[in-house]
Amino acid sequence: EVQLVESGGGLVQPGGSLRLSCAASGFTFSTYDMSWVRQAPGKGLEWVSSISYDGGIIYADSVKDRFTISRDISKNTLYLQMNSLRAEDTALYYCAKVLGGRWYFDLWGRGTLVTVSS
Amino acid sequence: EIVMTQSPATLSVSPGERATLSCRASQSVSSDLAWYQQKPGQAPRLLIYGASTRATGIPARFSGNGSGTEFTLTISSLQSEDFAVYYCQHYNNWPLTFGGGTKVEIK
Repeated sequence: EVQLVESGGGLVQPGGSLRLSCAASGFTFSTYDMSWVRQAPGKGLEWVSSISYDGGIIYADSVKDRFTISRDISKNTLYLQMNSLRAEDTALYYCAKVLGGRWYFDLWGRGTLVTVSS
Repeated sequence: EIVMTQSPATLSVSPGERATLSCRASQSVSSDLAWYQQKPGQAPRLLIYGASTRATGIPARFSGNGSGTEFTLTISSLQSEDFAVYYCQHYNNWPLTFGGGTKVEIK
């Protein structure tokens, strides 16, 4: 089955860190671009970061210098290392697969919830 | 940054009726526009890409149109499973941005 499964979310204090994981299965992970998209409670979708199949990386300004996206091809897993977390980072974080080399998303995970609060 | 503006915020439609959702970009995105459907408690689902190409498995009652800065998503005859929130997203350049969403509710 083609799927993405996120994990690693939780409650963290402001200034803290978390690492999110996204396990991919059912497709050749190494050949696809991937992204993280988040959704604050009751709000819309916000793109966070993307990594191309060949390692190109880009971030939203709101997370630049605090978040790091990476992938482990041997484990078919996408990561998001989140440091210096702020209350405004509270959201459901989705892992998403890019279709056809253009940056829209044909497969999404169910998300993992990150709550930043003291 | 390209700002995507969706209207209306809420659309009340009776089952079987036609629904037309709008998405406007603050500058041209050519045809680099996707539409997603999101139901409560679920991840978004890709409906349309390239402004008008239906994604795999998407029923023909969903159609997309437009280019440049003005786009529409039309649902020709609303089914009960179509009541949801719909988002547009451009992928013309960085950063990728989404519209604020249109909630399609039962009238």
